[in-house]
Amino acid sequence: GQQLNQSPQSMFIQEGEDVSMNCTSSSIFNTWLWYKQDPGEGPVLLIALYKAGELTSNGRLTAQFGITRKDSFLNISASIPSDVGIYFCAGQNSGGSNYKLTFGKGTLLTVNP
Amino acid sequence: GAVVSQHPSRVICKSGTSVKIECRSLDFQATTMFWYRQFPKQSLMLMATSNEGSKATYEQGVEKDKFLINHASLTLSTLTVTSAHPEDSSFYICSARAAPRNTGELFFGEGSRLTVL
Repeated sequence: GQQLNQSPQSMFIQEGEDVSMNCTSSSIFNTWLWYKQDPGEGPVLLIALYKAGELTSNGRLTAQFGITRKDSFLNISASIPSDVGIYFCAGQNSGGSNYKLTFGKGTLLTVNP
Repeated sequence: GAVVSQHPSRVICKSGTSVKIECRSLDFQATTMFWYRQFPKQSLMLMATSNEGSKATYEQGVEKDKFLINHASLTLSTLTVTSAHPEDSSFYICSARAAPRNTGELFFGEGSRLTVL
């Protein structure tokens, strides 16, 4: 099956710093999604990307769909303590009745005030 | 975004009993829902795809007789863990795609923490 490599596995940063994380795949996807999960909660959708090369922002978050369709990155600018959590990338080949997501292993973000 | 709600959020049961977890789409109709399982500090693993009015499709290695899925309406899917054992203890999360939107965005419930004693 498709494999997603997400890195880094964890990050410890100071408040105000920028953060970057990325995912690469062994095969192409036609949709990339980024989620954030707080402890004991379900993932919350942050950004959805549908076109190769697409760059999309959501507040301090920016994500890009790689031109090869095998990778995506997420940037967080000027981090704040509430950015703490686990960030997951997810790839999808949507169409027909199949909208299954393949998840990366997650990036644990810790922000020191 | 669309709202997906799960109930219960936490459940503790004795070994050998069955537990039902509900997943509801509150403000949209969901023709397809997905059930995931997540162990501590791990990613989400897809268990099965639930389609309204038809049988669920299970991922390889997931026992369909152990994890019964029913998607009886466009707003409700249930997962029943039958004859639960301690190794079934996990965080179970559902997700749904809003129909008839033709997007891949999936919205997740809050999760249900199952502890089997």
